[in-house]
Amino acid sequence: DSGVTQTPKHLITATGQRVTLRCSPRSGDLSVYWYQQSLDQGLQFLIQYYNGEERAKGNILERFSAQQFPDLHSELNLSSLELGDSALYFCASSVEGGSNEQFFGPGTRLTVL
Amino acid sequence: TQLLEQSPQFLSIQEGENLTVYCNSSSVFSSLQWYRQEPGEGPVLLVTVVTGGEVKKLKRLTFQFGDARKDSSLHITAAQPGDTGLYLCAGAMVETSYDKVIFGPGTSLSVIP
Repeated sequence: DSGVTQTPKHLITATGQRVTLRCSPRSGDLSVYWYQQSLDQGLQFLIQYYNGEERAKGNILERFSAQQFPDLHSELNLSSLELGDSALYFCASSVEGGSNEQFFGPGTRLTVL
Repeated sequence: TQLLEQSPQFLSIQEGENLTVYCNSSSVFSSLQWYRQEPGEGPVLLVTVVTGGEVKKLKRLTFQFGDARKDSSLHITAAQPGDTGLYLCAGAMVETSYDKVIFGPGTSLSVIP
């Protein structure tokens, strides 16, 4: 158990819908990262937050957005969903600074029908 | 373009064999992590290497960081079925005031009993 929690574990929805994925980092970790992993794309970095502020952006679509709240949990919002958005979405956290070690949650499997 | 390459992409071996997987880049990293991911689960951190030429051992796994801190290798001795999984390397490079972490595409290892 990494100490990072993600909900829900599974999510099935239809095209055009909007969903919110939630992540709680390890106690004491200030940084949260979101990744998308599909079979043909590998682990793709989406976005990073540090202590409530956006720090880095990766290959995140405009239909996707995220935020980190004062209690440091984070939400990833996916809207106007398409079939191709079906993937595993991982959240990771790190203390930030120093070793850059990330601790991953169990993931949310999103299926868009 | 910052890129981490891993080879081989796929590897299938018999239990008891030795193997080495590689992680290469043209960029210099301040640190490099290796993760193992099992199907449907989040990546789990195995090790961090920081110093050029550094060698770390974790039971039957030996990790080496290249002298120039651009590449790394993971050697597994007497592979076991429990070693099966996706091995990901992740390199951290200095980006203004913080380190940016990039993940390689992974090596998928299958150890056959």
